[in-house]
Amino acid sequence: QSVLTQPPSVSAAPGQKVTISCSGSSSNIGNNYVSWYQQLPGTAPKLLIYDNNKRPSGIPDRFSGSKSGTSATLGITGLQTGDEADYYCGTWDSSLSAGGVFGGGTKLTVL
Amino acid sequence: QVQLQESGPGLVKPSETLSLTCTVSGGSISSYYWSWIRQPPGKGLEWIGYIYYSGSTNYNPSLKSRVTISVDTSKNQFSLKLSSVTAADTAVYYCARGKIAYCGGDCYSGYFDYWGQGTLVTVSS
Repeated sequence: QSVLTQPPSVSAAPGQKVTISCSGSSSNIGNNYVSWYQQLPGTAPKLLIYDNNKRPSGIPDRFSGSKSGTSATLGITGLQTGDEADYYCGTWDSSLSAGGVFGGGTKLTVL
Repeated sequence: QVQLQESGPGLVKPSETLSLTCTVSGGSISSYYWSWIRQPPGKGLEWIGYIYYSGSTNYNPSLKSRVTISVDTSKNQFSLKLSSVTAADTAVYYCARGKIAYCGGDCYSGYFDYWGQGTLVTVSS
């Protein structure tokens, strides 16, 4: 059972836009910055978004992030077949002792 | 370009100690929060803990009693020990570089910008 809640799956057609939600609480998303990771099949996760909405060098602007209250959203526009992957949100949790927490992951299918 | 590489046994017997090492190349281990994260087969990510290059640590409360993370700055390596393993500890174990910053009040910015390729550790007799 993951601390952050994500939908198990989303799907959309090539060229379309999709959003993936991530829900938490005041002790994690509500107080801290959110990051997003892409995990292509059989590979390690890759940082897509950090500090809610910043993209590391090399990540296309088709990927965007936002946060409101205790929820965050990853947006992907101009979907490509190569975007088929699992996507995870992550943040810090201030309860008990500050540590990293992740969502359960969302499988994106590009139809 | 920073690269991380996990190494260690792929098979561990129940009740024994899992030991993995992560070697960092292309950059210094000084600064940053060096982390271990695991992923059971077909499941999501679980943060295990981190060590700062100075040696301070922080562990997932659910694993804290069994986890030790250490660092060897002379070798640019950090290591994970997980004791009393069971089948539930079977997972792909990743090492990762963490960037954590305090942003006031109860606010933290924390994320993992470089990851190793991961190593599967199976707990079985």
